[in-house]
Amino acid sequence: SQTIHQWPATLVQPVGSPLSLECTVEGTSNPNLYWYRQAAGRGLQLLFYSVGIGQISSEVPQNLSASRPQDRQFILSSKKLLLSDSGFYLCAWSRGQGRRETQYFGPGTRLLVL
Amino acid sequence: AQRVTQPEKLLSVFKGAPVELKCNYSYSGSPELFWYVQYSRQRLQLLLRHISRESIKGFTADLNKGETSFHLKKPFAQEEDSAMYYCAHEGSGTYKYIFGTGTRLKVLA
Repeated sequence: SQTIHQWPATLVQPVGSPLSLECTVEGTSNPNLYWYRQAAGRGLQLLFYSVGIGQISSEVPQNLSASRPQDRQFILSSKKLLLSDSGFYLCAWSRGQGRRETQYFGPGTRLLVL
Repeated sequence: AQRVTQPEKLLSVFKGAPVELKCNYSYSGSPELFWYVQYSRQRLQLLLRHISRESIKGFTADLNKGETSFHLKKPFAQEEDSAMYYCAHEGSGTYKYIFGTGTRLKVLA
């Protein structure tokens, strides 16, 4: 069966520090991968998605970047965190090679920037 | 622009009462629509999708193309239905998905 992991679960970082959140998927190949930010009243905001290694689509201009160094690994990064980067970050995957697929979400990472 | 609208941020109903969570979309063509649910301290997960035409945990959703709606309904709400509900559809011609802002359902005893 397929599983999706995110770490860390919680992170407290000072303003201006770098960020690296990791997401990995097991039990499937060539998944589509997604990073979302979940905020109260704003729902799920798609940040990045990837349909293959090294292929990243950015949805919202911001202080964050994403990379996919391996087929089942998706990383969310920042060189210098802002206070506004605080939030709950969700990673998700869906089966590749097709649209209209169900998305499967990870447990999320709560980021607090102080 | 493609959009999913969930007009209610919070919906409170009493146990045993009918519940309807509204979802409207803007999409040209035939979208695939989804309802996702997030229970307290659990992951966001699929509740149901249009193509399956299933009833999950007593919930159903019917696609109304004329009204561009995909409202989620349950005839008798239960306390365990309390959760955050998101409506979504896939982006036209892309692999991304468009989510609504979510509706928090509270079922009162």
